[in-house]
Amino acid sequence: QIQLQQSGPELVKPGASVKISCKASGYTFTDYYINWVKQKPGQGLEWIGWIYPGSGNTKYNEKFKGKATLTVDTSSSTAYMQLSSLTSEDTAVYFCARRGLRGNFDYWGQGTTLTVSS
Amino acid sequence: DIVLTQSPASLAVSLGQRATISCRASESVDSYGNSFMHWYQQKPGQPPKLLIYRASNLESGIPARFSGSGSRTDFTLTINPVEADDVATYYCQQSNEDPYTFGGGTKLEIK
Repeated sequence: QIQLQQSGPELVKPGASVKISCKASGYTFTDYYINWVKQKPGQGLEWIGWIYPGSGNTKYNEKFKGKATLTVDTSSSTAYMQLSSLTSEDTAVYFCARRGLRGNFDYWGQGTTLTVSS
Repeated sequence: DIVLTQSPASLAVSLGQRATISCRASESVDSYGNSFMHWYQQKPGQPPKLLIYRASNLESGIPARFSGSGSRTDFTLTINPVEADDVATYYCQQSNEDPYTFGGGTKLEIK
């Protein structure tokens, strides 16, 4: 079955960086876009960007340019998102999601909770 | 950016009754004869779950109580009849153009 397994919760200090992983299984990793979505506590969903594992091409929401960097390791079918210069505004749950052939996000990771605190 | 405005922000519906959620886009999300509007359900502590794709298509495994309609800028998610398990927050999302955007969410409760 198709699964996206994300890395565990992170507690990091302001100004630091963090790298979250999303390991895909059950399908051909290089055939589908991986998207990343942010959800601040008690709030809605915000799209960060996508990466196409087949080429490494990326597209970012302007708001997250300079904040998020998306990469993949096709040998392990894993997508990564690095977040830099962390502040309290980055405290959120981050989801990876596969974009299906119909344009929707059909499979989601379980989410990674990031807490930025000194 | 395409802004998606959901209404209402919350609603309380009696078991067995109909719930209707609206999503209005600031510009058309239609391309190539398809409406790139999708609906998700999110329960606390869980990721969103796809319910409806391209405005009116029921995702596999989703009960037929859920339905979607609309085109261009006006879309509706209907749940009929509402069951206790439907308590959740519902989001619309457009993927017609970058940046992909989500509506603000509608919280469904049982009256």
